[in-house]
Amino acid sequence: DGGITQSPKYLFRKEGQNVTLSCEQNLNHDAMYWYRQDPGQGLRLIYYSQIVNDFQKGDIAEGYSVSREKKESFPLTVTSAQKNPTAFYLCASSIGALGYNEQFFGPGTRLTVL
Amino acid sequence: KQEVTQIPAALSVPEGENLVLNCSFTDSAIYNLQWFRQDPGKGLTSLLLIQSSQREQTSGRLNASLDKSSGRSTLYIAASQPGDSATYLCAAGSGNTGKLIFGQGTTLQVKP
Repeated sequence: DGGITQSPKYLFRKEGQNVTLSCEQNLNHDAMYWYRQDPGQGLRLIYYSQIVNDFQKGDIAEGYSVSREKKESFPLTVTSAQKNPTAFYLCASSIGALGYNEQFFGPGTRLTVL
Repeated sequence: KQEVTQIPAALSVPEGENLVLNCSFTDSAIYNLQWFRQDPGKGLTSLLLIQSSQREQTSGRLNASLDKSSGRSTLYIAASQPGDSATYLCAAGSGNTGKLIFGQGTTLQVKP
């Protein structure tokens, strides 16, 4: 089955800790995205990558970092510099990065700061 | 700067009713308009994608329309069922980065 997987489903972080969220896709898509969702709000773009070894900041990149070493993988690290990291994180991909391509989403990771 | 708004924030209807969800956007220079469904604690499921050159798309009981000149899109759900209960999000695709700008969603409850 083709799709997007995210792990873990739930993640707990202590103050001052860095944590990494995994996103893998086997759709052979070039573009991948990370969004953050807070209760009662729409999604906001954190980072995106149009191609391997390239990525760009989205609207709320501060306190986050990413890498894109393989086409199928786009991990997101939430650093200690992110002041309010508790949220639901969603990864998405599309066949290309142009605006008319449909985006597909993974099941999400819920991050809670203890 | 593109802004996307969905009204109402919540909607409750009896089973079998036809209903319309609204989505408005401020910048008509969009590439596409995508409608998603989100169940509690889950990811997003893509329902319909309307390209900027299209006026509407249909899938089963769902029909989405797009009017760029007025900055509006609607999602029509025919003969609603309890299984349709979820949050519905619209998102405008802008620019050449694939970036989606999301509305805050409409939470739909269909009562048996």
